[in-house]
Amino acid sequence: GAVVSQHPSWVICKSGTSVKIECRSLDFQATTMFWYRQFPKQSLMLMATSNEGSKATYEQGVEKDKFLINHASLTLSTLTVTSAHPEDSSFYICSARPGGYDQPQHFGDGTRLSIL
Amino acid sequence: AQSVTQPDIHITVSEGASLELRCNYSYGATPYLFWYVQSPGQGLQLLLKYFSGDTLVQGIKGFEAEFKRSQSSFNLRKPSVHWSDAAEYFCAVGPMYSGGGADGLTFGKGTHLIIQP
Repeated sequence: GAVVSQHPSWVICKSGTSVKIECRSLDFQATTMFWYRQFPKQSLMLMATSNEGSKATYEQGVEKDKFLINHASLTLSTLTVTSAHPEDSSFYICSARPGGYDQPQHFGDGTRLSIL
Repeated sequence: AQSVTQPDIHITVSEGASLELRCNYSYGATPYLFWYVQSPGQGLQLLLKYFSGDTLVQGIKGFEAEFKRSQSSFNLRKPSVHWSDAAEYFCAVGPMYSGGGADGLTFGKGTHLIIQP
């Protein structure tokens, strides 16, 4: 149980294009979903928290207009990297939580984004 | 602000030997504590969690962790490691009160576990 699917797993695109990453909870409803970014051999850094039907809450230093988050349903959140540039290349991981703070987050397998 | 310290960047253990991965945290209230494991190029898998109650928690794959409030620690242990345990291990604390309403997890930098045959 508690499976989170993230798609695509790897994307390569040209600088200036926009890329959409999907995060789905397959067997539970996720009231809250999270987006993290991980640089090579480093830890995960929280980018934003999204609750279904409301605006995402971004961490300090994360550009809202560059990283658009939509949490349209209790099983789907999307992260769109707009006008991507090489410095946006990274490993992006989503997680979903079925309830409040006393529930663990379940993570997707991540998306490796490479901007040429 | 909350923080998590994993003092060991790399640990090498012989297969069959015991393992302990250290984790210390700084948190302004009673924390929720987690250990996750990450294989190369993969997402994170939850090994175990502590919310309240018994300070010794059992997880999957034979792992356990002990919450010690006086030491602000949540060390991960396994009595006998297997080659398949080689991976990156992350300790995390939550929720994260950043003032903006976000409540994600704060992760340590990770410990890379190497298993020697």
